[in-house]
Amino acid sequence: QKEVEQNSGPLSVPEGAIASLNCTYSDRGSQSFFWYRQYSGKSPELIMSIYSNGDKEDGRFTAQLNKASQYVSLLIRDSQPSDSATYLCAPEARKITGGGNKLTFGTGTQLKVEL
Amino acid sequence: IAGITQAPTSQILAAGRRMTLRCTQDMRHNAMYWYRQDLGLGLRLIHYSNTAGTTGKGEVPDGYSVSRANTDDFPLTLASAVPSQTSVYFCASSESGEGTEAFFGQGTRLTVV
Repeated sequence: QKEVEQNSGPLSVPEGAIASLNCTYSDRGSQSFFWYRQYSGKSPELIMSIYSNGDKEDGRFTAQLNKASQYVSLLIRDSQPSDSATYLCAPEARKITGGGNKLTFGTGTQLKVEL
Repeated sequence: IAGITQAPTSQILAAGRRMTLRCTQDMRHNAMYWYRQDLGLGLRLIHYSNTAGTTGKGEVPDGYSVSRANTDDFPLTLASAVPSQTSVYFCASSESGEGTEAFFGQGTRLTVV
């Protein structure tokens, strides 16, 4: 089982709609999660972080975390064409056997917002 | 401008040649990472370093080596490049590794022919 799983998409939504991006994870010890946005040909950039169960809102973005279900999601309200990108989910870096921390990402979901 | 810088931005390399991808950060982050990104496979961790002087293997380390002589620099070396190493390579850093966000360089697009 992969540590982080996302549907690769593409997820197509019309402009102005709500886009819902989902992520499941296998490590029950994960406490915090990050959502990154990656435009085509560019590097990932952090857009949201969430550290506790429930919802966290920032402008048009809402991150939702359910640790019991090992599920994290990102909602984008009033989707705009500029939101078209790949969205990557990542739990915080985890300690690994032998020492050190490892930061693992999901494969990402491609979002297309259509006019 | 504070951040993380990679060089070169792109490179075409003959198979069998040695190549070092450079990564430098000025944020004084302890943790640094190298990823490769291939279509449909997402970001895969090659090597990481949690502090100067230490390194560790990620999920796809074969054919790559790294060093961490100081906090700022984390070069990735391909000893003898092969076409399967054609990819986009991203260097990233974070403050302490656990529970903190990662910052990415602009990426290096490498083509091995």
